[in-house]
Amino acid sequence: QKEVEQNSGPLSVPEGAIASLNCTYSDRGSQSFFWYRQYSGKSPELIMSIYSNGDKEDGRFTAQLNKASQYVSLLIRDSQPSDSATYLCAVNEGRGSTLGRLYFGRGTQLTVWP
Amino acid sequence: NAGVMQNPRHLVRRRGQEARLRCSPMKGHSHVYWYRQLPEEGLKFMVYLQKENIIDESGMPKERFSAEFPKEGPSILRIQQVVRGDSAAYFCASSPRAGAGGTEAFFGQGTRLTVV
Repeated sequence: QKEVEQNSGPLSVPEGAIASLNCTYSDRGSQSFFWYRQYSGKSPELIMSIYSNGDKEDGRFTAQLNKASQYVSLLIRDSQPSDSATYLCAVNEGRGSTLGRLYFGRGTQLTVWP
Repeated sequence: NAGVMQNPRHLVRRRGQEARLRCSPMKGHSHVYWYRQLPEEGLKFMVYLQKENIIDESGMPKERFSAEFPKEGPSILRIQQVVRGDSAAYFCASSPRAGAGGTEAFFGQGTRLTVV
């Protein structure tokens, strides 16, 4: 059974702070990693994808991947109240051929207070 | 460039009725995935389809649930003889391709199914 674990939260940070979200996965063969943001009652929105070890930055978001440790994280700098949402970590099916199914963690609820 | 389109957004069915959920992928995307999200739970994979083919249905219940993605028209997720436990948000996602790298999947707005 492939598993994706996220720090359960909820996570609460003040406006302007750095929010750190963590995720571990069990399938060593996984090759694609994603972070989705989901507002209450809405659909998941893709915010970051990462495929190689190291850091990937996009605006205020930085994704970090360490395949040896089977660990992926998301940092949100200068957090804003509008970042308050549930963040979902998703990992692809690790067979490396044509299967694109994603395994999702249960999400970390982030609240950014003014 | 329209995103993934799902309809209806909300669907109410009585126990024993059939529910049909539709999904049109993003333009240029030929891979469609259906996920179910139960209250207070994560997204669970149900089925992966390409045009006229079911690639992986290992996440779908063996009975009452079926999915298709015909050559023409949207993908359909069909639930027969619905029960209260089927009440959930059903999301469709599409991607341009599958496999290692470049498999970003984009989600539709979902269909909220309520069984009464």
